[in-house]
Amino acid sequence: EDQVTQSPEALRLQEGESSSLNCSYTVSGLRGLFWYRQDPGKGPEFLFTLYSAGEEKEKERLKATLTKKESFLHITAPKPEDSATYLCAVTIRRSSGSARQLTFGSGTQLTVLP
Amino acid sequence: NAGVMQNPRHLVRRRGQEARLRCSPMKGHSHVYWYRQLPEEGLKFMVYLQKENIIDESGMPKERFSAEFPKEGPSILRIQQVVRGDSAAYFCASSGLAGGQETQYFGPGTRLLVL
Repeated sequence: EDQVTQSPEALRLQEGESSSLNCSYTVSGLRGLFWYRQDPGKGPEFLFTLYSAGEEKEKERLKATLTKKESFLHITAPKPEDSATYLCAVTIRRSSGSARQLTFGSGTQLTVLP
Repeated sequence: NAGVMQNPRHLVRRRGQEARLRCSPMKGHSHVYWYRQLPEEGLKFMVYLQKENIIDESGMPKERFSAEFPKEGPSILRIQQVVRGDSAAYFCASSGLAGGQETQYFGPGTRLLVL
C-alpha cells in the first residue's frame, strides 16, 4: 500500500534554531514529491516539487531534498512567521498510467517561538 | 492574478439537506481536484476532473457524493442528504501542464458543518 509518513508530528523551535522535517514514502513508483505549507483555516500553499533522487530546491529559509526513500525540509534560522503545518505529498506512477492525485502525509506542525 | 476560488467559505447544513460546493480553477488551468480534510486527519483525495469529464473518482464515497466540471462555469461538488460525518474542510486544487510537470494549487477551502 502506498504510504507517506511525516515526522515529527509537532516541532517547537526557538527563533534561529535550525532543524529538519522528514517525509518518508513507500510507493510503487514515485512520480513527484511536493511540499506545502498550511496555515490554520487556509488552504495548502505550494512550496516545492522534487522529481528525482539527489534533487534540491531552495526558497528563502527553506531547502527541500529528495532521496529514494525520503525527503527532508530543512529550515535555517526560522522566524515566528514560519510557524505552520508543513505537508508532504506524492504522486505515483502506476502500470495503468500515472496517478495525478496527491497522497498526503499527516503533516508536521511547526511552532517557532520568538 | 486570481488563484483558485472556492465558495462558500463556510456552509452550515442540517442532516438530510444538500450541500453544493463550488470551485473556480486558476486562469488557464483545466484540471480540478477535490480533497477532504476531516478533523484531526490529513488531506484525502476524492475526485479528479477535466472539463466535462470525470477522470478519477476512486476517492469519492459511492453514495450521496457527486462532482462535475461543466464546459462553462465552476466545478461543483455535491453532497446529498448530508450526515454529521460529512463535516470537514473541502479543498479544491487546480493544475495546468508546465513542461509536462504539473503542480496543484489549492483554494482556501469550504468548511462544511452538519448540524
